[in-house]
Parts: sequence; C-alpha cells; structure tokens
Amino acid sequence: AQSVTQPDIHITVSEGASLELRCNYSYGATPYLFWYVQSPGQGLQLLLKYFSGDTLVQGIKGFEAEFKRSQSSFNLRKPSVHWSDAAEYFCAVAPSSGSARQLTFGSGTQLTVLP
Amino acid sequence: SQTIHQWPATLVQPVGSPLSLECTVEGTSNPNLYWYRQAAGRGLQLLFYSVGIGQISSEVPQNLSASRPQDRQFILSSKKLLLSDSGFYLCAYEGADTQYFGPGTRLTVL
Repeated sequence: AQSVTQPDIHITVSEGASLELRCNYSYGATPYLFWYVQSPGQGLQLLLKYFSGDTLVQGIKGFEAEFKRSQSSFNLRKPSVHWSDAAEYFCAVAPSSGSARQLTFGSGTQLTVLP
Repeated sequence: SQTIHQWPATLVQPVGSPLSLECTVEGTSNPNLYWYRQAAGRGLQLLFYSVGIGQISSEVPQNLSASRPQDRQFILSSKKLLLSDSGFYLCAYEGADTQYFGPGTRLTVL
C-alpha cells in the first residue's frame, strides 16, 4: 500500500533562515507528488506539484521541491523563510493513472518561524 | 476561474443528531469531487469521492454517506452523529490532475 512519511513533526527556524521539509513515499510506481500548506482553521493551499520532467519544481511563495527517484523523496525547500510561512505543510501522492486521483497524505510538518 | 465553497463554516451538533455538509464548485463542469476528514492525531483521511452525478465511492466504513445530486454539488451526510465524527471536513475538486481544496467545515459533536 502507498504511504507518505514526513519524519519531522515540528520544525522551528528563524526568519531569514533556509528551510527544508522532508518527504519520503512508498509507491508501486512513480506517483504524482504534491506539497500543500495549511494555515490554522483554513483549507489546504497547493504550493507545487510534480508529474514528470525536470525534477526541480518551482512553486508559489518562493518554494521549490526536488524529486529524487532513487531516494523516493520529494523534499520542500525555501532559501529564506518569512514569518508568514508559519503553517502546517503536507506532502501528498496520487496515482499517475486512473479516473480519480485519491491523495495519500503525510502526517504533516508544523513550521514555527522565530522573529 | 474555479472556486469552491463549503457550508457551513462551523457546526456544533449533539450526539445522535443528523448532519448535512455542502460543497459547491463554480467555474468547471463535471469535476471529480472529494471529501476528506482531518481529525486530531489522525491526519487527512479520504472519505468519499465522486467522478460524476450519482457516482459515489467510499474509502472507509463509517456512519457517514455522500451524495452528488448535481454536477457541481457534493453533500456529506449522517443520520446519527457519533463523538468520533468531530473534525475538520474538507471538500476538494480535481482540475488538471490536481486537487484544490475548499475552506473546510469545523464539526464538533458533543
């Protein structure tokens, strides 16, 4: 069965510092990969996605992620964190074929940004 | 552009009462629609999805049900709520192989 692991439950960084959130997945074939962000009491906002092609993908708010097939990873990065980035981040995978693409989510990483 | 709405935003219901949560999508036709639940300590769990009017697939056994009476309307229901039904319910539509989420409904069952 497919699974997504986000090993860091909580990360604290200082404003202006770099950020990397880890995501590993277990899947039969290369899935579609996503990162979402959730502010308290809000829905999920799509940051970026990977379907195929260039393994480094750019997203909104200055985020990027790199797909590494050999490591089954899709880590999220940002070179300089802003206080408004404090939120919970979810990595998710979906099958690359089929009539409906059910997402499987990781357990999330809570990001705290210190001033 | 597409937008997705969920109603109500918050709901407090007693155990054993019925439930109806509504999700509507604008700006797209016949999208795949999804219901997720986010409960404390349990992450995001897919409950139901629909690929068309009247077509519902259930991912987990529970006392909830879903219906899709119109192309862009997805309803989550229960006849009798349990304490364990408390959580944050998210609806999503699929566009270009990507799911986009609504603002959610916070349900508290007392």
